[in-house]
Amino acid sequence: GAGVSQSPSNKVTEKGKDVELRCDPISGHTALYWYRQSLGQGLEFLIYFQGNSAPDKSGLPSDRFSAERTGGSVSTLTIQRTQQEDSAVYLCASSLAGGFYEQYFGPGTRLTVT
Amino acid sequence: TQLLEQSPQFLSIQEGENLTVYCNSSSVFSSLQWYRQEPGEGPVLLVTVVTGGEVKKLKRLTFQFGDARKDSSLHITAAQPGDTGLYLCAGFDQTGANNLFFGTGTRLTVIP
Repeated sequence: GAGVSQSPSNKVTEKGKDVELRCDPISGHTALYWYRQSLGQGLEFLIYFQGNSAPDKSGLPSDRFSAERTGGSVSTLTIQRTQQEDSAVYLCASSLAGGFYEQYFGPGTRLTVT
Repeated sequence: TQLLEQSPQFLSIQEGENLTVYCNSSSVFSSLQWYRQEPGEGPVLLVTVVTGGEVKKLKRLTFQFGDARKDSSLHITAAQPGDTGLYLCAGFDQTGANNLFFGTGTRLTVIP
């Protein structure tokens, strides 16, 4: 079946502009995660959605970052007033449920802020 | 923040050699996972270890979870060029947090 998809695959934006990154999780997966990966490094947790529960936003680095998940499926990560340090690959993952269920990752969106 | 330090950061070896990658922390994890990531793709789960001292084998890969559940190792026997990639360890801590804490990564290159 279809895996996790993300769009766009690449995004170049000017400093100060807002960007929206999209994630389509695997159908039927109730948990959805956003991570950020700096060049060649490990992943940094950003936010977690589980069903209709309030999201865990503990990893968001500033109030310029926000995310929503509509209808328990598609998610959008929004970065307002982008800064150069926001440049990274943004990865989305979904799992059947939260906790220890295997997370399936999308290919990521490479964001470059000039 | 739970820190998972991986070593070495970079490793370049010849095909057929053996190697070990280490993942260390001062924190205790309820479980630990290893992922492999190729360029332009997301990480793919290789294994999950849960019990202290646990050893799991996946073909030429052997994973071990430390007795105290603070560290783990990945050993690859007779490395192949297809093993090339970024290896990441990641753990769930004991607070019941929903997110994985990822290690700093080991970039492995296997030269034919």
